[in-house]
This record gives sequence, C-alpha cells and structure tokens, in this order.
Amino acid sequence: GNSVTQMEGPVTLSEEAFLTINCTYTATGYPSLFWYVQYPGEGLQLLLKATKADDKGSNKGFEATYRKETTSFHLEKGSVQVSDSAVYFCALAVYNQGGKLIFGQGTELSVKP
Amino acid sequence: DTAVSQTPKYLVTQMGNDKSIKCEQNLGHDTMYWYKQDSKKFLKIMFSYNNKELIINETVPNRFSPKSPDKAHLNLHINSLELGDSAVYFCASSQELLAGAKEQFFGPGTRLTVL
Repeated sequence: GNSVTQMEGPVTLSEEAFLTINCTYTATGYPSLFWYVQYPGEGLQLLLKATKADDKGSNKGFEATYRKETTSFHLEKGSVQVSDSAVYFCALAVYNQGGKLIFGQGTELSVKP
Repeated sequence: DTAVSQTPKYLVTQMGNDKSIKCEQNLGHDTMYWYKQDSKKFLKIMFSYNNKELIINETVPNRFSPKSPDKAHLNLHINSLELGDSAVYFCASSQELLAGAKEQFFGPGTRLTVL
C-alpha cells in the first residue's frame, strides 16, 4: 500500500539554524509528493510539491527534492525564522486514486528567538 | 473572500447526538474532500466527491454521511456521536480528480468535541 513516514517531532531550533525534516514514502505507482504546513489554529497550506523524479520544489526558502532511488522527499531550509514554527506534513498522491492525499504523521517545528 | 469555508469552527456536543458540518468552496473546483485529524495531528482522508458523486469512502462508519447538494458544497452529517469522533475535521477542494499533482485547498477546520 501507499504510506509516508516522517521524522518524529517536536523539533526545536534556534532562529537562523538549518532545518531538515526527513520524509520517506512507499507507493504503488508513481506518486506526486507534497509538503503542507499547518500554522497554529489554521488549516493546511501547500508549501511545495514535486511531480517527478529529481524535481525540486521550493517556496519561502524551503526546498525538497524528489528522490526516487531513496524514495525520499526531505524538507530543508537554510535559515529558519520564528514565524516558521508550525506543523509540517509530507504527503503523496497517486494518479488515478481519486486525488486523495496520504499524509505522514506531521512534524512539529518550534523556532526560538 | 475565503476560498474554502467551514461552519461551525467549534462544535461541542453530547454522545449520541446527531450533528452536521458544512463546507463551501468558491474556487470553482470539481472535487471536494473530508479529512479527519486526530489528537496526535494525524490526518486521514474520509471521503471525496467529484461533481456531487462519491468517489472515495475510506471505510468510514455508516454513522458518517457526506452530502453534496452541488459541486461547491460538501456537508458531513454524523449520527449517534461517539467519544472517538472527537477530532478536527478538514474540508478541502481541488481542481481535477485524477491529476494527483493538483494542490488541495483546505478549510480552517471544525473542532468537534464529544462529551
């Protein structure tokens, strides 16, 4: 079946630190991969996506590369800010499965000044 | 204008009651979804509708009945509420059913608490 595994949280960093949140997936078929972010008390927003191997998604200083050989889509940011504190979800969607997103368990990030 | 809206934002009710959550999107999308987020933040799809037709039902108990009066609305009715139904319910929409790469837009969520 299809599944997504993320690194356990919470992750606590100081402002301007480097961020990596690991994400690996298992999929039957060729998935599209996503990172969604959930700020406190809000719904999810798409942060970035990649639709094929070696694609790099990027947005707001975050980036992730679709690695088919390692079935991974790790999220990185060179210098985090307090405003990046949120829960980050890795997700996949497989073509012809109704568009449903399969999420990882979420990783809570807390950035301290 | 809010793209995907849900009402109510909070819902507190007693076990055994019946309640509904409403969702509306003004993005012109064809497909709408309901997701459940548990207390550990884990998100799981419940249903999806495309042009008012049920596409996905992820082994959700029969007490949950989605209804789509038109493609801009997807409501969720829950009968005989149980303690385990306490969660945050998110509505979402996207443009194309089969195109897995399309972004889903999420509503702000409805926090349901069953006492």
